Order: sequence, then structure tokens, then C-alpha cells
Amino acid sequence: QLQLQQSGPGLVTPSETLSLTCTVSGGSISISNYYWGWFRRPPGKGLEWIGSSYYRGTTYYSPSLQSRATMSVDTSKSQFSLNLNSVTAADTAVYYCARSRGRSGGLDVWGQGTSVTVSS
Amino acid sequence: QSALTQPASVSGSPGQSITISCSGTSSNVGSANLVSWYQQHPGKAPKLIIYEDIERPSGVASRFSGSKSGNTASLTISGLQAEDEAEYFCCSYAGGNTFYVFGSGTKVTVV
Repeated sequence: QLQLQQSGPGLVTPSETLSLTCTVSGGSISISNYYWGWFRRPPGKGLEWIGSSYYRGTTYYSPSLQSRATMSVDTSKSQFSLNLNSVTAADTAVYYCARSRGRSGGLDVWGQGTSVTVSS
Repeated sequence: QSALTQPASVSGSPGQSITISCSGTSSNVGSANLVSWYQQHPGKAPKLIIYEDIERPSGVASRFSGSKSGNTASLTISGLQAEDEAEYFCCSYAGGNTFYVFGSGTKVTVV
């Protein structure tokens, strides 16, 4: 059964870069028709899509975060990653990685979530 | 402000049926069969319970069902159970290269 394991710091200093990694186990990251995405949920708010990547490297970003987000896929390590630069307190959230079938299909496998606080 | 509108809360007694609405536009909910629903318990990751408007993943209880009419999607829980107490989010393709927009979430309380 495919699982996603997230890793990364829970505290990031304002203006620095938030970096998270999601490791795929129990299945292949290099599978056709599936996308690997990042999402977040700020305190007291709903979920927000950050971006999605295909294993061959194509990546799509939320228009609101496109200028600060960079995602990548490393098939040799079965990992995909998120970097979000110039963070502020507004980026404080629980971040999730997830798999979708197709670009906008149901998100059927989720990581455990990483609570990230932006504070000095 | 979320792109999709859901009621903040819905409650019901065990055994009752409840319905959660998700209102969008012709650019998202009404544009394709790509509405999904998620259940989230506190401190846990979301769980997919409905995809492609009406489809239920294997392992999800049959008391969960989805429907859609025009720009409004709905999730119905029939035979409400205590473990259904959670927050529920709708999600839709948003058009162009914006893959997902989410609803604001609905807290379901089993009274």
C-alpha cells in the first residue's frame, strides 16, 4: 500500500525558505497519470493547493504562490519536494503532500502533515 | 475567503441523514466531473471519500454519497454514526492550470 512520509522543519524564520520533502514508499513515484501535490491548511482556515508535479518534471503552481514556490521530483529517491521562499507569518500552516490521479483527480493518498510555524 | 461555499456546520442524530452543500461557479464545480470530498478528523490528514462527483473509493462506507446539480455539489451521509463527526471539505478543479480549489469546510456534529 502506497504511503507518503513527510519530513522538514517545524519552525522557519521570517524571510527564509521553507523546505519540505515527501518520500513515497510501497509504490512507484514514476507512474503514469498520477500527480504529486502540496497543500496547506492555515490555522482556522480551509485547505489551499500550492502546486502539483508530474514525475517527468512538469509542475503547476497556484497563481497566488507561483512567485515563491518551487517544486521538484527526484525519482531516484522516490521523493518530491517543496521550497517556499520569503516566508512570513501568513505562511504558518499545516502542510500536506498528496497524490492525485490525473491533474485534478481525487487526492487518494496523503502524507501525515507537517505543522510549520514562521517565527523569529 | 474560499472559492467554494459550504455551510459552517451541520448536525444530526445517529441514524439520521444529513446533506452538505458546496456552491461554486460554472468555472469550477459546474465545469467538469471533478468534485471530490474529504473527511478530516482533528490532527489527522484528510481522507478522500468521494471523487469525480459521485464515485466512492474502495473501503469508504456506502453511507457516503455524492451528487451534483449545476454549480452545486452535495455530500450526503445516510445513517449518521458517531465516528462521522469530523470536518468535511469539498474540492473542485478550478479551470486552466489551477488544479484545485477548496471549500471552507463544514463541521459535522453528531448530537
